[in-house]
Amino acid sequence: DQQVKQNSPSLSVQEGRISILNCDYTNSMFDYFLWYKKYPAEGPTFLISISSIKDKNEDGRFTVFLNKSAKHLSLHIVPSQPGDSAVYFCAVLVAGTALIFGKGTTLSVSS
Amino acid sequence: EAGVAQSPRYKIIEKRQSVAFWCNPISGHATLYWYQQILGQGPKLLIQFQNNGVVDDSQLPKDRFSAERLKGVDSTLKIQPAKLEDSAVYLCASSSVESSYNEQFFGPGTRLTVL
Repeated sequence: DQQVKQNSPSLSVQEGRISILNCDYTNSMFDYFLWYKKYPAEGPTFLISISSIKDKNEDGRFTVFLNKSAKHLSLHIVPSQPGDSAVYFCAVLVAGTALIFGKGTTLSVSS
Repeated sequence: EAGVAQSPRYKIIEKRQSVAFWCNPISGHATLYWYQQILGQGPKLLIQFQNNGVVDDSQLPKDRFSAERLKGVDSTLKIQPAKLEDSAVYLCASSSVESSYNEQFFGPGTRLTVL
């Protein structure tokens, strides 16, 4: 059974608009929630994280929102740029353990 | 700071053959992970090392997969014998114990094709 679900396999957005990627999880015991970005033929790279005690974390164009009651996580990218086109993985973890990843969402930003 | 190194980058083998992958983590990182990423899926943990000890290998198919981390630095993942369903990208990652949320740095991966 999947502990982390990214229900949208793909998302297409125009340059300059907002991209919203969503993630749902099942276990309320997770300590941290992270987003990784992956380009073809490269390993995933860390993008942004949020701890379970917060509901928002912002880093430049990227903002992550955590809704613990709904067990829902979202990543907002504003404004979207063509270089943001990649696969985005939602990941969760209990401190000291390995990451549990969703299946990923492929974001395409057109100019 | 050098990143996580992996080799080879690509490998094609016949089923029932053996294969080995190598990983060199970021210098000073005590924790090393091997993940398997099947096409269309997210990475899935195979094994986690802390220095040269195994922390979690619950999802490692031990009848055919083995891994070691000699001297707590480099690591090798072996598959013997390989099956068609082992076709995947094998990712190595490392993290520092000082990281509050286990920020993991990934290597480029080894793409394995089993024919």
